[in-house]
Formats: sequence, structure tokens, C-alpha cells
Amino acid sequence: EADIYQTPRYLVIGTGKKITLECSQTMGHDKMYWYQQDPGMELHLIHYSYGVNSTEKGDLSSESTVSRIRTEHFPLTLESARPSHTSQYLCASEGIGMAYGYTFGSGTRLTVV
Amino acid sequence: GQQVMQIPQYQHVQEGEDFTTYCNSSTTLSNIQWYKQRPGGHPVFLIQLVKSGEVKKQKRLTFQFGEAKKNSSLHITATQTTDVGTYFCALFNDYKLSFGAGTTVTVRA
Repeated sequence: EADIYQTPRYLVIGTGKKITLECSQTMGHDKMYWYQQDPGMELHLIHYSYGVNSTEKGDLSSESTVSRIRTEHFPLTLESARPSHTSQYLCASEGIGMAYGYTFGSGTRLTVV
Repeated sequence: GQQVMQIPQYQHVQEGEDFTTYCNSSTTLSNIQWYKQRPGGHPVFLIQLVKSGEVKKQKRLTFQFGEAKKNSSLHITATQTTDVGTYFCALFNDYKLSFGAGTTVTVRA
């Protein structure tokens, strides 16, 4: 049973639109992450947070921004979507200790036309 | 940061056969994790290996961490159609997970 939720599951929008991808977790995890994944490809870290009011950019440069006002909520925003932003965006959280790995949400598949 | 190379990139397996996928690093790893992503799905954590030479089993899946902690392998016996997907190894770089490119497994019935 997934304890981390992403909405929407699929999104098709026009170029230039502002969008926010939602990610919420009910596990009380402090550490949360956003990965970008093109079909059949590896995952690239674009943002992460170690707790409330903590946000950092990941290894892959991204034009998106994130916020962490509440522990359970880690939304990702694109101010002006472009076709190059078309991809799958995966949110993940990490519990205390590494032994349990990351828990991923179901992802948002974004298409910008 | 540290990186891993996964081989092969694609693995086409006859149902019932065994196969192994590898994750190699040029540097010593503190630990390594394995994830499985079904087609159209999201990565799901399988296991973490920490100790040199460690071997862990999950039913038909056997995970191994090399003695030098520079490589890891995933061996699947008697492959089933439910094994279809992409298997990623991942390592911690600056306390964040970096994923390999994955091995995508298809199964011929």
C-alpha cells in the first residue's frame, strides 16, 4: 500500500503554462526527493529536502522549483512549461535509516504540447 | 560523485532460465541498494547490501555484494513473466541515492 501520493497521475498541458505537481506522504519522513525519468531511462535527482524549509537542487539541472512548508508535502512547480519538460516525475521519501530504501510515489507523467 | 555501471542494459530471457545482472563501480561503495520498476510503474525497493561479500536471498532472487565492495550482482533463477521490468542498482552519493542506468528484462514465454 503506497504511503506516498502523487497527483495528477497524467497531465497534458500547453507550452507556457504554470503547473504544480503534488507529492504527499503520510509516513512522517523528513527526507524527500524528486527524480526525473524519461521512458526506459535512468532516474535523475532534480530536487531534495531534508525537512521543513530545507530545499536543495539535485544533480540534474532543472527549471523547476520546490517548496517544503510542511513535512508531509513537497510540491514541484514549473513556472512556464516547455516541450523539453515532457517526462515522468517521481517523488520519493526516505525513512530513518537506509535499510528500508526509498519509497516512491506512482509518478506524474507530464506531456507539454 | 561515485557512479555505477550496470550490465547488460537489456536481458532477454526464456521463461524458466536463470540470468544475472551486474552493477560495477570503480570505487569502494559503502552500501548498495536494488530496486525493481515494472513497465509503466515506479521503482520499488528490493534490498540493501552493506557488508563485504554479503549474500541475501528473496525467493528466486539472490543479491551479492563483492568482496571488495566495488560490485554487486542480482541473480534470478527460473525466470517468470512476473520478473519483467527494469532492475536498478543505486548507491549513496553525499547521502542521496544515485541510480544506475538499469537492466531491462523481458521474458519469452
